[in-house]
Amino acid sequence: GEDVEQSLFLSVREGDSSVINCTYTDSSSTYLYWYKQEPGAGLQLLTYIFSNMDMKQDQRLTVLLNKKDKHLSLRIADTQTGDSAIYFCAVGIYNQGGKLIFGQGTELSVKP
Amino acid sequence: EAGVAQSPRYKIIEKRQSVAFWCNPISGHATLYWYQQILGQGPKLLIQFQNNGVVDDSQLPKDRFSAERLKGVDSTLKIQPAKLEDSAVYLCASSLIIDSKELFFGEGSRLTVL
Repeated sequence: GEDVEQSLFLSVREGDSSVINCTYTDSSSTYLYWYKQEPGAGLQLLTYIFSNMDMKQDQRLTVLLNKKDKHLSLRIADTQTGDSAIYFCAVGIYNQGGKLIFGQGTELSVKP
Repeated sequence: EAGVAQSPRYKIIEKRQSVAFWCNPISGHATLYWYQQILGQGPKLLIQFQNNGVVDDSQLPKDRFSAERLKGVDSTLKIQPAKLEDSAVYLCASSLIIDSKELFFGEGSRLTVL
């Protein structure tokens, strides 16, 4: 089955850029997502990219997709303390009913 | 637009007891999902409904877990009897249609089994 891997922790200084990485195994993944989870809260969809795209930019967020290496990254520019949270990578496969397979999450800590 | 509503937010029970969680999806959303998120892990799909029918329950431990969505709107997830390893956050999500690229999650119900 599909496997999604992320590094567990990332610490950056306020104002720096953060890059969170994710690798996946199934080449039939159709949509690839980044979700944010703050303590005690549900999952908030940040952005997603379709598998035929290489890059998507949305304000401070840039998503890069390398299909050959099955590698997805999320770059947060000008990281703020409010960006401290757990970030989940997830992959969806078309014709599997919208089911998402999640990574284990990367805890981003932003120090002032 | 109201989001996905879940209750209760927190529940503490002893092992072998039963518990039920309720979810009300966003109005008009045909597809409803229950995910289990164990501490330190990503969410894992337990069951998916399309209207009142089950699409995927392959990861649901059917000896103790059950779920229903009788009228195709709100849904209940039940655990009976609970085990220690069922301690987790149970997240409900909904989407407008099946294979939608956008899932909307509720805040979750945190279960602690002692």
